[in-house]
Amino acid sequence: NAGVTQTPKFQVLKTGQSMTLQCAQDMNHEYMSWYRQDPGMGLRLIHYSVGAGITDQGEVPNGYNVSRSTTEDFPLRLLSAAPSQTSVYFCASSTIRGKNQPQHFGDGTRLSIL
Amino acid sequence: GEDVEQSLFLSVREGDSSVINCTYTDSSSTYLYWYKQEPGAGLQLLTYIFSNMDMKQDQRLTVLLNKKDKHLSLRIADTQTGDSAIYFCAETRSASGGSYIPTFGRGTSLIVHP
Repeated sequence: NAGVTQTPKFQVLKTGQSMTLQCAQDMNHEYMSWYRQDPGMGLRLIHYSVGAGITDQGEVPNGYNVSRSTTEDFPLRLLSAAPSQTSVYFCASSTIRGKNQPQHFGDGTRLSIL
Repeated sequence: GEDVEQSLFLSVREGDSSVINCTYTDSSSTYLYWYKQEPGAGLQLLTYIFSNMDMKQDQRLTVLLNKKDKHLSLRIADTQTGDSAIYFCAETRSASGGSYIPTFGRGTSLIVHP
């Protein structure tokens, strides 16, 4: 099993450009989420989804859009990139059946906005 | 947010024990987790504890849970340089619609020096 796959691994953008970070999982997990990790700030939840067609905002949703048209995929869109969005982005997934829900993380996308 | 709290740094000498502490807020959390993040990688589940347990031991790792004080700790015996990483504490908190949302601390950077 591939687990959680994120693409691309690295990306450099100019301010104002848009792009989509891809996340796919092959574990049939209902729950998927996006985090950003910045030095000294830990993990901050951007958006999450508890199933296809259902998304909700996390702690820092501004400037990002998500959609969940399939169970497997949960892309994160930057509408108009800003330097403050320079970060490492992680996608995670888990089951929502039962209360034991360890998260499975991708390897991250390192994004720089110039 | 800051609902799951950890100190940001811990420095230990190789061979000593490391103790990483965490406080959480949701008394209804039934599972509490420790994740490890090595440099340049995503988070990986290290261990977890069910809330009706006080202690869980797994080789060099010991997890202690004090439900009354909502305090969780991770002890690493005989710490090695390969244990240098960021360690995240996480709880799974009940959310609307009967779902559970994981909440992470900011992470503790463990530095092991010879």
